[in-house]
Amino acid sequence: SQTIHQWPATLVQPVGSPLSLECTVEGTSNPNLYWYRQAAGRGLQLLFYSVGIGQISSEVPQNLSASRPQDRQFILSSKKLLLSDSGFYLCAWRRTGGTDTQYFGPGTRLTVL
Amino acid sequence: GEDVEQSLFLSVREGDSSVINCTYTDSSSTYLYWYKQEPGAGLQLLTYIFSNMDMKQDQRLTVLLNKKDKHLSLRIADTQTGDSAIYFCAESPVTSGTYKYIFGTGTRLKVLA
Repeated sequence: SQTIHQWPATLVQPVGSPLSLECTVEGTSNPNLYWYRQAAGRGLQLLFYSVGIGQISSEVPQNLSASRPQDRQFILSSKKLLLSDSGFYLCAWRRTGGTDTQYFGPGTRLTVL
Repeated sequence: GEDVEQSLFLSVREGDSSVINCTYTDSSSTYLYWYKQEPGAGLQLLTYIFSNMDMKQDQRLTVLLNKKDKHLSLRIADTQTGDSAIYFCAESPVTSGTYKYIFGTGTRLKVLA
């Protein structure tokens, strides 16, 4: 069976500090991977998606970046956090060649102070 | 446009039926989804419906799809307090080419004992 992990679960960071959030998927190969952000009381905003190692597509301009150094690892980063980066970050995966279904990780709650 | 619309709040009494509505925009979507998000958690896939179906039933859940009006609904029979959560509908337009979801804003369901 497939599982998706995210860490850390919660993070409190000062403005201007760097960020690294990690997402890993087990039990599948060559998944499509996605990063979403959910602001407080809001819907989900797609930030990045990846169809393979080193292939990243950005959906919105921002001070965040994503990388996929390994097949089942997806990293969300920032060099300098802004207050507006606070939110709940969700990683999701989709099986290549399967249905469109995306499966979500447990999320990381980021608070920028 | 790419807006998927949902009402923001719904309140029902325990034991009643809940109906959560969603209006989507892209008729090319092959699948349409319902996800549940409990407080502080990721999104849990509840059910999905293939676009050539009008209805899908899964235990207490019934999904109705009206393709002509681009309207999707989720009915929860015998609603329980454990059903209190945010419910997101999502479409996956084929035209996106990369299986990107477009999420609704989410409907917060509150079940009153």
